[in-house]
Amino acid sequence: QQQVKQSPQSLIVQKGGISIINCAYENTAFDYFPWYQQFPGKGPALLIAIRPDVSEKKEGRFTISFNKSAKQFSLHIMDSQPGDSATYFCAASQSSGTYKYIFGTGTRLKVLA
Amino acid sequence: NAGVMQNPRHLVRRRGQEARLRCSPMKGHSHVYWYRQLPEEGLKFMVYLQKENIIDESGMPKERFSAEFPKEGPSILRIQQVVRGDSAAYFCASSPGGDNEQFFGPGTRLTVL
Repeated sequence: QQQVKQSPQSLIVQKGGISIINCAYENTAFDYFPWYQQFPGKGPALLIAIRPDVSEKKEGRFTISFNKSAKQFSLHIMDSQPGDSATYFCAASQSSGTYKYIFGTGTRLKVLA
Repeated sequence: NAGVMQNPRHLVRRRGQEARLRCSPMKGHSHVYWYRQLPEEGLKFMVYLQKENIIDESGMPKERFSAEFPKEGPSILRIQQVVRGDSAAYFCASSPGGDNEQFFGPGTRLTVL
């Protein structure tokens, strides 16, 4: 019940295309869903996060779509650029607990120039 | 405003030795989380600490691993009698407390020979 399932494992997109990464969770107590970007040899950096009271959040080229009834959320990267090539992790946490993150297994994105 | 600092960035140990990983949280943050990332995998929660207290150690292996966050100084993750399976990247994250958002350090990459 603590798992967060992430797909696809890897993704190749043409420059200018849309990258879509999906995550699903089981624990309905989760109430915070961040996405992190990680470059090789670096720590994860927060991209964007959403709470269940909204169905969509947009920041620049990055959008989170959230479906509470389906217990799914996704990251959309519009106008994907080669510099977006990185590994992306979704995560979930609950405010009523210790705020610890349960991470997905990651998606390795490659944007072709 | 310096971010989360971790040192060393790379650590090589022989089987049976001890590894000490340090984490200095962001200024004003009193909550520290440790996560482990095995090669080609997502991050797994290990332990959550506040100053002088271990709040949640549900992700820590039962033996050889310990963590502390003293009143003064950095948080320390200690691995005694390291084995090859301990080879991983260890990330520390900090938060101001009472909030889901966590800021990650650059990680310590431990290699056990």
